[in-house]
Amino acid sequence: LAKTTQPISMDSYEGQEVNITCSHNNIATNDYITWYQQFPSQGPRFIIQGYKTKVTNEVASLFIPADRKSSTLSLPRVSLSDTAVYYCLVGLGAAGNKLTFGGGTRVLVKP
Amino acid sequence: GAGVSQSPRYKVAKRGQDVALRCDPISGHVSLFWYQQALGQGPEFLTYFQNEAQLDKSGLPSDRFFAERPEGSVSTLKIQRTQQEDSAVYLCASPKGQGTRSNQPQHFGDGTRLSIL
Repeated sequence: LAKTTQPISMDSYEGQEVNITCSHNNIATNDYITWYQQFPSQGPRFIIQGYKTKVTNEVASLFIPADRKSSTLSLPRVSLSDTAVYYCLVGLGAAGNKLTFGGGTRVLVKP
Repeated sequence: GAGVSQSPRYKVAKRGQDVALRCDPISGHVSLFWYQQALGQGPEFLTYFQNEAQLDKSGLPSDRFFAERPEGSVSTLKIQRTQQEDSAVYLCASPKGQGTRSNQPQHFGDGTRLSIL
């Protein structure tokens, strides 16, 4: 599975937009990009998944440039409850395919 | 059930004891994964089941770790002769939806926090 690189931590304030960029230079043609969120004492929770261009759901947006060597998770108007660790993964990431997590990005939202 | 359920949520054992951790996946889910998460780290793959068949156990750290899923639903992760380095959160996951289609995100339980004294 492609290795990912993302910032260790980020601080933000309530109401701001948070953008986390993940590098995955060795992404394969069939790989998807998936982001998970993890709160303390909970398992990772799926946020969003995409293959190319832009994907948006009720929680976040995912921007993927044409070369797919990076991706950016965008969290609009964060609140204190968005404080968590965010993991970027690439791969088929699904049934029959184990997930490879990196260290994630610790996002701290301040009042 | 509505989600992946794991029990116990917390387990404390003395070094050398055997422990058993249980995972109840989402009903009808074919695939099931176990991960180990050390403090401050991302989860790491341990083993994978498709129904009752254990198709990948390459992540199990030693032969003290054993997993089973005899009827293709509930799974148990057993650790024999526990060591302090086994202290971690053990997570169970199964993909959303049924079948083994690709690109289905995995749905995680909240894990069992194992502490070895």
